[in-house]
Amino acid sequence: DTGVSQDPRHKITKRGQNVTFRCDPISEHNRLYWYRQTLGQGPEFLTYFQNEAQLEKSRLLSDRFSAERPKGSFSTLEIQRTEQGDSAMYLCASSLDGLGNEKLFFGSGTQLSVL
Amino acid sequence: AQKITQTQPGMFVQEKEAVTLDCTYDTSDQSYGLFWYKQPSSGEMIFLIYQGSYDEQNATEGRYSLNFQKARKSANLVISASQLGDSAMYFCAMSSKGAQKLVFGQGTRLTINP
Repeated sequence: DTGVSQDPRHKITKRGQNVTFRCDPISEHNRLYWYRQTLGQGPEFLTYFQNEAQLEKSRLLSDRFSAERPKGSFSTLEIQRTEQGDSAMYLCASSLDGLGNEKLFFGSGTQLSVL
Repeated sequence: AQKITQTQPGMFVQEKEAVTLDCTYDTSDQSYGLFWYKQPSSGEMIFLIYQGSYDEQNATEGRYSLNFQKARKSANLVISASQLGDSAMYFCAMSSKGAQKLVFGQGTRLTINP
């Protein structure tokens, strides 16, 4: 199966530490998205890439967050100086650029707990 | 701004019954797409069904159908002959041509009872 994969599945860290998550999209997909989901809520958009270019960032993405997709394939999301409010599920999705309203395929997410 | 509203926090249904999950949306765009995703306890968002704003017929995918009423801005999901494995969170979402992202509702937790 060549779906979207995310690593790690779970991450527990202490407040103030830096964490990095990885996402491997479906190989032929040129768009990659990061979403954040807190308990009892729907996913909220953070940022997206078309190939290696980061084209949009949400206001939710503070200066402590940075995302990269260096070669237009996998992506990393780094959170610096983590805070307890960063605890959430971080979901990655990918899609193939078409005529608009493309279907997103999601990974299983990385569950972050900040103690 | 786009907004999705799901007014049912939880639904309980007997196995083999049909169930309708409600979704209303708000947008000023003429071209948009409506999606339903299923999220089991494992966390993965599983695509179920898509409806384009210009599609004249309601979308169907196996046991899933989307009851699209454009004038009322509603996009309800209908699951026929529910199964125990249908127990999960269900999210309605929309996108607009050019917006390049999905906006999600708060979800409905569906529980199928044997």
